[in-house]
Amino acid sequence: NAGVTQTPKFQVLKTGQSMTLQCAQDMNHEYMSWYRQDPGMGLRLIHYSVGAGITDQGEVPNGYNVSRSTTEDFPLRLLSAAPSQTSVYFCASSYPPEFNSPLHFGNGTRLTVT
Amino acid sequence: AQKITQTQPGMFVQEKEAVTLDCTYDTSDQSYGLFWYKQPSSGEMIFLIYQGSYDEQNATEGRYSLNFQKARKSANLVISASQLGDSAMYFCAMRGDSNYQLIWGAGTKLIIKP
Repeated sequence: NAGVTQTPKFQVLKTGQSMTLQCAQDMNHEYMSWYRQDPGMGLRLIHYSVGAGITDQGEVPNGYNVSRSTTEDFPLRLLSAAPSQTSVYFCASSYPPEFNSPLHFGNGTRLTVT
Repeated sequence: AQKITQTQPGMFVQEKEAVTLDCTYDTSDQSYGLFWYKQPSSGEMIFLIYQGSYDEQNATEGRYSLNFQKARKSANLVISASQLGDSAMYFCAMRGDSNYQLIWGAGTKLIIKP
């Protein structure tokens, strides 16, 4: 039972480069989301999706794109990496997207932009 | 607006003692859930315990219990008989029925001393 799988675990980018962080879940969860975690701060929501074909912005969406073509996958794209995007990124999912449903997290991707 | 406040940036506790981690929240939602997550130094986010706003009894999960005081808008995590492996960051989070996004506190770093 894989749960939520994120790849890669680590990534170093140069300013201006683009890349995609992958997230896949095998629990048939409707709700998927991306967070970033910076030192000394809680998690901040980047984008989320309540089902295939539906995405919306969170608290800090600038510089990131998402798509949800299948229930299982929710990739996060960095369009033109900036040092301010150095962070740990978490993908999380739940079923259903309701107030009593805990999020299940992937193990995170540590991204450094130089 | 929804908000989670964790007022203890760090705590030191002697092994085998009980520890209480504070969490207060603010929401205008009628139904909401409160969650605690543990983040060890390895980085993964581990779901610990959930309390619903309409739950009559405080939630318990093994050594974890949630001291829920709705009138005071507090949802403190109590860890009984602390162990060295409890050393980690602990995050309080809330999810309401207005938009289902998980709102996070800044976290408390707990260190268990042998």
